[in-house]
Amino acid sequence: DVKVTQSSRYLVKRTGEKVFLECVQDMDHENMFWYRQDPGLGLRLIYFSYDVKMKEKGDIPEGYSVSREKKERFSLILESASTNQTSMYLCASSSGGPSYGYTFGSGTRLTVV
Amino acid sequence: QKEVEQNSGPLSVPEGAIASLNCTYSDRGSQSFFWYRQYSGKSPELIMFIYSNGDKEDGRFTAQLNKASQYVSLLIRDSQPSDSATYLCAVRAGGYQKVTFGTGTKLQVIP
Repeated sequence: DVKVTQSSRYLVKRTGEKVFLECVQDMDHENMFWYRQDPGLGLRLIYFSYDVKMKEKGDIPEGYSVSREKKERFSLILESASTNQTSMYLCASSSGGPSYGYTFGSGTRLTVV
Repeated sequence: QKEVEQNSGPLSVPEGAIASLNCTYSDRGSQSFFWYRQYSGKSPELIMFIYSNGDKEDGRFTAQLNKASQYVSLLIRDSQPSDSATYLCAVRAGGYQKVTFGTGTKLQVIP
């Protein structure tokens, strides 16, 4: 089975801090994604990447950046954390075929205080 | 109009009944459709994929797709309390890898 590992399950950060969320997948998938999930709003796409060093903005990229230096690793960066970035962050990966769904990591619950 | 719409529920069904979960989408160019199950406090897991009109069955689950009506549904036969979760509908348009999710329907199976 594909495994997608997120480095932290829970994080508490202070307003203004730079925050790094790490995601690693072990099945050589081309595509990786970062979502945030909030009650009533569902899953919203922040950024995605379809190849090493490639990145595309999702629906809510403001306040975030990403890095993909190696195929298996996709990092989400909160440049200056704010309280409205308190959320569950989910990383996912998929292969290139249209019939393939996502495999999600276990998520990182980020609280910004 | 939301791109992918689901009734948030909760949908309550008795154990052993058929649960019917519905989803509509706005992009006529959508080609791939997915159902994910998300237990409380857990991440979503893929349970069904469908891309052609009609029904697709996998065990107790049946996905139904009607592209003309822009409608996709998930039927769960012989519902069990362990099926209690939030079910997310997801749609992929064309060749793009990006998938748009609905906000999910919460299903409660009553013993």
